Amino acid sequence: GENVEQHPSTLSVQEGDSAVIKCTYSDSASNYFPWYKQELGKGPQLIIDIRSNVGEKKDQRIAVTLNKTAKHFSLHITETQPEDSAVYFCVVGGNQFYFGTGTSLTVIP
Amino acid sequence: GAVVSQHPSWVICKSGTSVKIECRSLDFQATTMFWYRQFPKQSLMLMATSNEGSKATYEQGVEKDKFLINHASLTLSTLTVTSAHPEDSSFYICSASTDYQPQHFGDGTRLSIL
Repeated sequence: GENVEQHPSTLSVQEGDSAVIKCTYSDSASNYFPWYKQELGKGPQLIIDIRSNVGEKKDQRIAVTLNKTAKHFSLHITETQPEDSAVYFCVVGGNQFYFGTGTSLTVIP
Repeated sequence: GAVVSQHPSWVICKSGTSVKIECRSLDFQATTMFWYRQFPKQSLMLMATSNEGSKATYEQGVEKDKFLINHASLTLSTLTVTSAHPEDSSFYICSASTDYQPQHFGDGTRLSIL
């Protein structure tokens, strides 16, 4: 199966700074890479996704970059706000989703 | 769009009882639904995948007689935890998708077995 590694496991940033979370995967056939945000007591919410034929995608303050050759992808959050505090999961997908181990992001006001 | 509703959000019951959790896609038809289990401060663990009208496919180590899954329609799947025991206490989350990508998640069910 797929092996997904996610770093860091915890991340604290000052409000307004940027946050970057990275994931690596093992199966070069994987073609779909979504990111989910999970708040306490809630289910994961899709925040952005990218497919293997694209190198970068941006949606307002959130961007994802994909390097298929190196088999890694990253989530970038700019101008962080306290409401960005949550656990973020990278996912490597095809017909099945393989979740990363999660990053607990804390944005300090 | 792509709203998934899960019910109940929290249930407490005595050991030995069976508990049914519902997962509904409210504004789209879900050809595939997934059931996950999540322990505190851990990632999601896939339990099973179900396609409408077919038997669920269970992940290795998941007891299919313990966790009964029914996907009777394109908008509803149910997970029944049979003869629940304290070790079954967990956060159960469903997701629904059309053609597998993306998956849209419900808000989970916190199950506590006394």
